Amino acid sequence: TQLLEQSPQFLSIQEGENLTVYCNSSSVFSSLQWYRQEPGEGPVLLVTVVTGGEVKKLKRLTFQFGDARKDSSLHITAAQPGDTGLYLCAGDPTDSWGKLQFGAGTQVVVTP
Amino acid sequence: EPEVTQTPSHQVTQMGQEVILRCVPISNHLYFYWYRQILGQKVEFLVSFYNNEISEKSEIFDDQFSVERPDGSNFTLKIRSTKLEDSAMYFCASSDVSGANVLTFGAGSRLTVL
Repeated sequence: TQLLEQSPQFLSIQEGENLTVYCNSSSVFSSLQWYRQEPGEGPVLLVTVVTGGEVKKLKRLTFQFGDARKDSSLHITAAQPGDTGLYLCAGDPTDSWGKLQFGAGTQVVVTP
Repeated sequence: EPEVTQTPSHQVTQMGQEVILRCVPISNHLYFYWYRQILGQKVEFLVSFYNNEISEKSEIFDDQFSVERPDGSNFTLKIRSTKLEDSAMYFCASSDVSGANVLTFGAGSRLTVL
């Protein structure tokens, strides 16, 4: 099993501040995905990164895949209360068949 | 937007009872998955399914678990004799290409075993 470690576990910030969530592993993944999960609901895909060094932007969210495809980061600029949620990273091992390895998640709370 | 639907949303059962969780994947998807999330823990892969057979399964997916696609639309997860530790949120997912890049998850079925 290829472990994904997310940090921090919990992040509380004021509206308008920036934040970064990290997802690290010692293993290589063919792709890495970021999800957001609300209480009592399933994970909702935000983005998939595939190429080492790839950067993708989704409005105020910026996702980066490490050059070695072992780590990723999610950066939120000027956070809004609507960004509050559990952010999960999930890696797709190179020899898997849909067998995503999930991180434990980072709970983000943005207060007005 | 197409979605994966799961029923029931919550099921309470006695230890030792059989449980069937149902999922309707997105209609043009060909690959189906079950994941589970025990309260406070990570989302864990259980099984993937393609062309009416299991493609891959985890160590969790032992002989007590089975999956099938009985009628071309539903995708079910059966637990033959539930244990207390089976209590979890079970998520169904589907994708239209092989691999995990484009999984769409359902809202989940919460199973509580007493």
